[in-house]
Amino acid sequence: EDQVTQSPEALRLQEGESSSLNCSYTVSGLRGLFWYRQDPGKGPEFLFTLYSAGEEKEKERLKATLTKKESFLHITAPKPEDSATYLCAAPVPQGAQKLVFGQGTRLTINP
Amino acid sequence: DGGITQSPKYLFRKEGQNVTLSCEQNLNHDAMYWYRQDPGQGLRLIYYSQIVNDFQKGDIAEGYSVSREKKESFPLTVTSAQKNPTAFYLCASSPPGLDQETQYFGPGTRLLVL
Repeated sequence: EDQVTQSPEALRLQEGESSSLNCSYTVSGLRGLFWYRQDPGKGPEFLFTLYSAGEEKEKERLKATLTKKESFLHITAPKPEDSATYLCAAPVPQGAQKLVFGQGTRLTINP
Repeated sequence: DGGITQSPKYLFRKEGQNVTLSCEQNLNHDAMYWYRQDPGQGLRLIYYSQIVNDFQKGDIAEGYSVSREKKESFPLTVTSAQKNPTAFYLCASSPPGLDQETQYFGPGTRLLVL
């Protein structure tokens, strides 16, 4: 079964304390791995797409990396405004433009 | 400004009532999607449409219906057959071409049962 699993479910950090979020997947023939940020009561905001193992993408304090089995979202020196739920997703192999989403990691940055 | 709009932001449904959630996009995207989000769970696909006048069931289509008469619009009806409709509903769309699997989301509609 195609699955995307995120860990941890929730993470609390102090401002400036760097860490990583994990997204592991069992989707065969991966055609991309997507990261989104979701603020409470709002729709997910697209962050990154990674297509191949070894690829990295950065945006401000966020850096996403991809291996053959998992992806990491590294957050460096986070600020309180980085608090959000981070979702990852992967396309299902059947080619119907469908994504399967992980449950998300709820990140809280304390000032 | 191009984007995806959903209305209303909050919707209240009475027992036995059908309600319709609106989703409009002016991004010229071909594909559109409806998801349901429950607390602590990932997004679950209800219906999706890759072209006008065509749509397919997702993983949890029971109790829902859709139409796609215009490229810009993909309304979702929550019928009385959906026994647990309280959730956050998200509409998304994706562009044609090489970026076709990147989905962009609207702001969401929260549905509550009275």
